[in-house]
Amino acid sequence: DAKTTQPTSMDCAEGRAANLPCNHSTISGNEYVYWYRQIHSQGPQYIIHGLKNNETNEMASLIITEDRKSSTLILPHATLRDTAVYYCIVATYTDKLIFGTGTRLQVFP
Amino acid sequence: SQTIHQWPATLVQPVGSPLSLECTVEGTSNPNLYWYRQAAGRGLQLLFYSVGIGQISSEVPQNLSASRPQDRQFILSSKKLLLSDSGFYLCAWRDTILLPYEQYFGPGTRLTVT
Repeated sequence: DAKTTQPTSMDCAEGRAANLPCNHSTISGNEYVYWYRQIHSQGPQYIIHGLKNNETNEMASLIITEDRKSSTLILPHATLRDTAVYYCIVATYTDKLIFGTGTRLQVFP
Repeated sequence: SQTIHQWPATLVQPVGSPLSLECTVEGTSNPNLYWYRQAAGRGLQLLFYSVGIGQISSEVPQNLSASRPQDRQFILSSKKLLLSDSGFYLCAWRDTILLPYEQYFGPGTRLTVT
């Protein structure tokens, strides 16, 4: 499975959009992009996934570049409860998700 | 609705002692089940996954084993714990039919080996 590169940490003001980037330049054609987040001392929570097209759900939007080598997770109106570590994962099979160290997002008042 | 239980929540065990962590899922049938470990300050590492009763796939050679004696029960075991087994152990499940792309995680067990 391809590896991903994410910034170690990011800050975002409450109420503003949080844009979390992810590079996955070696992604193959049948690999999906998944996003999970982990609030301190809890299990990870699924956010969204995509293959080629941009996706949106009640939690976030996922923007995937046309060449699929990078993506951005967008939290449209960040709240303090969105403070967490965000993991970008690329994988063919949902059974074999490899979690890296992710991006630590700090939302401040 | 579906729920996942793990116990105990915290555990302190001496080196060389045995380990048994249990995970059960309610509200779903024939889920895929997973065990992960998270060492301090690190990402999650997939240890085992199971697609059915008695079917276990090991992802990382180690001091641990897993078993699935019932459809919705997943057990992580060790005969003799090592210091390096310390970490946060997470169980997860996936509904391969209704929500095939999502894994749902339990609350975790924090294990300290002393």
